[in-house]
Amino acid sequence: SAVISQKPSRDICQRGTSLTIQCQVDSQVTMMFWYRQQPGQSLTLIATANQGSEATYESGFVIDKFPISRPNLTFSTLTVSNMSPEDSSIYLCSVPGQGSTDTQYFGPGTRLTVL
Amino acid sequence: AQSVAQPEDQVNVAEGNPLTVKCTYSVSGNPYLFWYVQYPNRGLQFLLKYITGDNLVKGSYGFEAEFNKSQTSFHLKKPSALVSDSALYFCAVRDTPGGSYIPTFGRGTSLIVHP
Repeated sequence: SAVISQKPSRDICQRGTSLTIQCQVDSQVTMMFWYRQQPGQSLTLIATANQGSEATYESGFVIDKFPISRPNLTFSTLTVSNMSPEDSSIYLCSVPGQGSTDTQYFGPGTRLTVL
Repeated sequence: AQSVAQPEDQVNVAEGNPLTVKCTYSVSGNPYLFWYVQYPNRGLQFLLKYITGDNLVKGSYGFEAEFNKSQTSFHLKKPSALVSDSALYFCAVRDTPGGSYIPTFGRGTSLIVHP
């Protein structure tokens, strides 16, 4: 299993500002995932971050809005840029388990409120 | 393509009564199916999974789920609900072989267990 921590756990931000969310894993992993969980909606995958390469973004998400860093195999950051109230969500970091039949492991999430 | 549906936004049950949280899926091949639980202000935690074999899968906290291929369902069940089971439950599916490595999550079902 993997233990994942995220910082901050929550934040309240003003419109137009940016917030960087940190994700730390207790083991080395090739892939890390960033999800958004909007109120009353499912988990939506934002991007997959591989160490040493550019992140792969899902449809509807762009690097300018959600830049991602992956400096090593245990750490990643997601920045929510030029925030608007529509960005208010829970942002979750996740890593895959061992092998194709294993589960995913999730961080505790960052609850973001944009005023 | 892989998809999953959780038809109920909320399920209410009295403590001590059996509970069922519904999940149906759609895949091209064979499904890998997962249930996760999210307690308030926490990340998702793995409950159980179906990969192959026995259609009845037992998981954490007394939960179980039954894989029904003909009905393309994977409903989560527990014989006797506890107030502490109140949480948000997510079903997830991966299509195999050849499907996305990343599972698709349902929109979640809020389980409320009344004392």
